[in-house]
Amino acid sequence: QVQLQESGPGLVKPSETLSLSCSVSGHSIDSAYYWGWVRQPPGKGLEWIGSIYRTQKTYYSMSLKSRVTISVDTSKNQFSLRLTSVTAADTAVFYCARLRGSSWTFDYWGQGTLVTVSS
Amino acid sequence: QSALTQPASMSASPGQSITISCSGTTSDFGGYNYVSWYQQHPGKAPKLIIYEVGNRPSGVSNRFSGSKSGNTASLTISGLQAEDEADYYCTSYRDSDSLVLFGGGTKLTVL
Repeated sequence: QVQLQESGPGLVKPSETLSLSCSVSGHSIDSAYYWGWVRQPPGKGLEWIGSIYRTQKTYYSMSLKSRVTISVDTSKNQFSLRLTSVTAADTAVFYCARLRGSSWTFDYWGQGTLVTVSS
Repeated sequence: QSALTQPASMSASPGQSITISCSGTTSDFGGYNYVSWYQQHPGKAPKLIIYEVGNRPSGVSNRFSGSKSGNTASLTISGLQAEDEADYYCTSYRDSDSLVLFGGGTKLTVL
């Protein structure tokens, strides 16, 4: 059973960097799947942030590309998100998820973690 | 990039059927049939209910079905039940560095 769990600060100051990690259990992160992040501002819809494949190749939303970095730590079987220069508009629930490339579906999700950007 | 277009809200009575649309451009769908649908209850993570236009993952009720015609995908829920009240999102695959596009979401109310 694949399980994902997000972790990181729940509060980030404006202009600073948001950093989250996603621990994966039940499946090797160094496998033929994409691992990535989706966010959801309060009361709004889902937005794909980006994904990483085979620990190296990254794909990012065009709207966030300049501020986003996704990386993998295979020794911990986890992957991470960095979002720089955050503003209040970045306040959201952040989900980590596995993206199955054979059908381009998010088949496993973390429970989500709320990150608030506020001074 | 813009989101795929879904109706913001829909409502129907228990036992009825409802169809949620998801519209985009040829570029949005990339000419592929990689359309997925997710159900999200309040405070919960999204749950995959349809993939590759019309396939159901194991464990998903056969009351959920999907289809696609041209640049519009559809999710049909038959025999509506109270537990179907949720938000529904479509996604498509884009053959570019921006892999995935979400729809704006549809809030379904079961009256």
